Amino acid sequence: GAVVSQHPSRVICKSGTSVKIECRSLDFQATTMFWYRQFPKQSLMLMATSNEGSKATYEQGVEKDKFLINHASLTLSTLTVTSAHPEDSSFYICSAPKAGASTDTQYFGPGTRLTVL
Amino acid sequence: AQSVAQPEDQVNVAEGNPLTVKCTYSVSGNPYLFWYVQYPNRGLQFLLKYITGDNLVKGSYGFEAEFNKSQTSFHLKKPSALVSDSALYFCAVRGGGGNKLTFGTGTQLKVEL
Repeated sequence: GAVVSQHPSRVICKSGTSVKIECRSLDFQATTMFWYRQFPKQSLMLMATSNEGSKATYEQGVEKDKFLINHASLTLSTLTVTSAHPEDSSFYICSAPKAGASTDTQYFGPGTRLTVL
Repeated sequence: AQSVAQPEDQVNVAEGNPLTVKCTYSVSGNPYLFWYVQYPNRGLQFLLKYITGDNLVKGSYGFEAEFNKSQTSFHLKKPSALVSDSALYFCAVRGGGGNKLTFGTGTQLKVEL
């Protein structure tokens, strides 16, 4: 398999502050990474596609100015939740596709639990 | 648009018995189908995938899944369930030519002694 890490695993912040979440592919390069949001007992909702060297692509209804994505290198993408509010509290998960012989399999990070007070 | 349906929110099975977690899909073109498992407060772990070839796909931890094109299904199966298999299982699909995965709503599997 492939390893994707996220940091931090858990963060608590005050309303109005910004929080940065890192996603790293540890043993492979990823020109694309995906950011998901998961509410309790619900499925994963794709927020955006992070592209190395270019702008991220956001899904409909996701505010690009609130959820800033930067894909600075082939192994690192960051998601910054700006001016966080309690409704932003959620489990954020990143994934990266690893190229294979036939097609890509996405490997997921362990997730980041964000709690906004 | 592509979509995935997991009709059961929860599946209960006794340890040692076979288990099935159901999944049906809708996608344009040839489907790429995946199963992932999620343990509490953890990310998703890849179990298996179907791209092409044999309809029966074998994956991690003794799981397998059968691709049925006529029924547009990709049910996850295991011949003998373990208590440690208890987790949340997600089916996912993507159409050829793109990387976006669409997930089902998940099925909570509970294996009891």
